[in-house]
Amino acid sequence: EAGVTQSPTHLIKTRGQQATLRCSPISGHTSVYWYQQALGLGLQFLLWYDEGEERNRGNFPPRFSGRQFPNYSSELNVNALELEDSALYLCASSFVTGGDTQYFGPGTRLTVL
Amino acid sequence: DAKTTQPTSMDCAEGRAANLPCNHSTISGNEYVYWYRQIHSQGPQYIIHGLKNNETNEMASLIITEDRKSSTLILPHATLRDTAVYYCIVRGSGAGSYQLTFGKGTKLSVIP
Repeated sequence: EAGVTQSPTHLIKTRGQQATLRCSPISGHTSVYWYQQALGLGLQFLLWYDEGEERNRGNFPPRFSGRQFPNYSSELNVNALELEDSALYLCASSFVTGGDTQYFGPGTRLTVL
Repeated sequence: DAKTTQPTSMDCAEGRAANLPCNHSTISGNEYVYWYRQIHSQGPQYIIHGLKNNETNEMASLIITEDRKSSTLILPHATLRDTAVYYCIVRGSGAGSYQLTFGKGTKLSVIP
């Protein structure tokens, strides 16, 4: 069974640009979660999608947004990139929404220059 | 979700069992104990979880004390590839427990 996949593996952008990160959940999983992990910091919850709807978002500015497609894959968009947005962005999926076990993808390393 | 306490670091000889402790004295009756690990700069990997009874899967065993205030993750035959940061978390099972919060975890170093 294929795990959660994320693309691209690495992404280099300059300040002010936009970044788009993609995630495909495990087959059969309908919930997708996005987290940010900055160097030396813990996991910070970004967004939660289920059945195409945004269920909740963490304490991040509106320039962090995303969506979930009918096939349950998801996209995270970060507009007006700032240097401090440099981090590992992790996507996780679960079979049942909310409290079920979350399985993580390998992450996308975003570097903002 | 209840808070957890883990040692900062541990060493284990290759081939020996690695026993990673976790204290969660404020755990409530419907909260599960979860273990994840993260190898440097990779996504966290789910290992195992349990509520009351001991659990075992192909990766590890989870021993939860009878009062549920602490638990131990056991890797039966540690290899160099098990070197990682191990996170113990406590969380409920309802929709309100959607957000995972990792503490500092235990950095396990497997020594040849």
